[in-house]
Amino acid sequence: DAKTTQPPSMDCAEGRAANLPCNHSTISGNEYVYWYRQIHSQGPQYIIHGLKNNETNEMASLIITEDRKSSTLILPHATLRDTAVYYCIVSGAGRRALTFGSGTRLQVQP
Amino acid sequence: GAVVSQHPSRVICKSGTSVKIECRSLDFQATTMFWYRQFPKKSLMLMATSNEGSKATYEQGVEKDKFLINHASLTLSTLTVTSAHPEDSSFYICSAKPLSETQYFGPGTRLLVL
Repeated sequence: DAKTTQPPSMDCAEGRAANLPCNHSTISGNEYVYWYRQIHSQGPQYIIHGLKNNETNEMASLIITEDRKSSTLILPHATLRDTAVYYCIVSGAGRRALTFGSGTRLQVQP
Repeated sequence: GAVVSQHPSRVICKSGTSVKIECRSLDFQATTMFWYRQFPKKSLMLMATSNEGSKATYEQGVEKDKFLINHASLTLSTLTVTSAHPEDSSFYICSAKPLSETQYFGPGTRLLVL
C-alpha cells in the first residue's frame, strides 16, 4: 500500500471548516483513499473514502486531486466533538488490513 | 455503517494469567478480521489477520503462541493473551470488512496487566 504524509497537528476554530491535507504521491491506480478518525480511547471511526472522484457524505467531503497524488478531507463546520486524530490511508480493494500512519491531531478550539 | 463490537471494554489481570478478548461483527459476516494493538500516543499496529476456519496470519515480531487467535464462526474472532505480562498492557482493537469497500473497527479493549 502507498505511504501517506500528513501534518502532525492542526487547529481549527469551532464552526469553521477544517481542511486536513494528505499526500500520497506513490498511489497506484487501483488504490482507494480512506479517512478514519480516532477519538481518545476509542476505536477508529470510518469517515469517507474515494478512488478518483470527489466524495461527500453526512460527515465530510473528500477532495482528490486530478493526479491522485494528494487529497483533502473537509469537515464543513467543525465542532468540539471533532477533536481527534485523523488518519489518511491508501489501500487497494480486497480483504487486506489497513496500515495506519501517525495521522493529524485536529484540535477544535472554542 | 456496519457494527463491530468487542468484549470486554477493559480488563485488569495479574501477571501470568490469560485474557480472552472477543470481537463480533453484529450485522454482517466476516471471513476475515484483523487485530491491532495501540500503545499510548502511538498509532495502530497490525498484529494478525484472523481467517474463519483456518489459522491466523501473524505479523513479523508477533508471537503466535502468546497471542492465540480463534475465528470459529463468521461473526466471532477471539484473541487470547496467554501468560500476560505488564508489557502486554495496551489497547487492543479489532476490525472487520463486509462486502463493501469499508473496514469497520471495534471500540477497543484496554488491557492492564499488573
